[in-house]
Amino acid sequence: DAGVTQSPTHLIKTRGQQVTLRCSPKSGHDTVSWYQQALGQGPQFIFQYYEEEERQRGNFPDRFSGHQFPNYSSELNVNALLLGDSALYLCASSLVGTQDYEQYFGPGTRLTVT
Amino acid sequence: KQEVTQIPAALSVPEGENLVLNCSFTDSAIYNLQWFRQDPGKGLTSLLLIQSSQREQTSGRLNASLDKSSGRSTLYIAASQPGDSATYLCAVASNTGKLIFGQGTTLQVKP
Repeated sequence: DAGVTQSPTHLIKTRGQQVTLRCSPKSGHDTVSWYQQALGQGPQFIFQYYEEEERQRGNFPDRFSGHQFPNYSSELNVNALLLGDSALYLCASSLVGTQDYEQYFGPGTRLTVT
Repeated sequence: KQEVTQIPAALSVPEGENLVLNCSFTDSAIYNLQWFRQDPGKGLTSLLLIQSSQREQTSGRLNASLDKSSGRSTLYIAASQPGDSATYLCAVASNTGKLIFGQGTTLQVKP
């Protein structure tokens, strides 16, 4: 049973560039959430996708956008990168309607903006 | 606005000790509470999930309790081992699955 996978593992970008991160949910899951974790901090909720639509969003600017595909995989796009966007980006998947609504996390993508 | 606080921020104990990590939250209207483990630079591993209607959950040497009325949860680790060294994160979930995390407790267990 494949868990949550993310690609790439590491990424280095320059200020002003754009980046796309990818996530494949755990087998059988239909909901994908993205989190940003700055060094030494707890993860912060960016947004959640369900049925290919953004279901809810955290306090992040419009530079952060996403997409969910029919196979439930998801992308996170960040435009006009800032130094402050350097962080570990985590993807979590879950299944709507389950009693636990437990979130399963991927290994993350480490983004460094120089 | 829900806020989650974890105390202490860091903890160092000798191997074999029993220890308690604390988590508090400001809004008792939660769907569930999860405890996670995070090794340096890695993703999150779910340890225990407690439904809002439950009082505690146990897995091996780990026991997590939940008191919604007081907005508190504790993670008890029995007979700590060096392999338990990691950051432990507490997160409360809304009914849409959105997680709000504390800042974590970094645990070091010395041999």
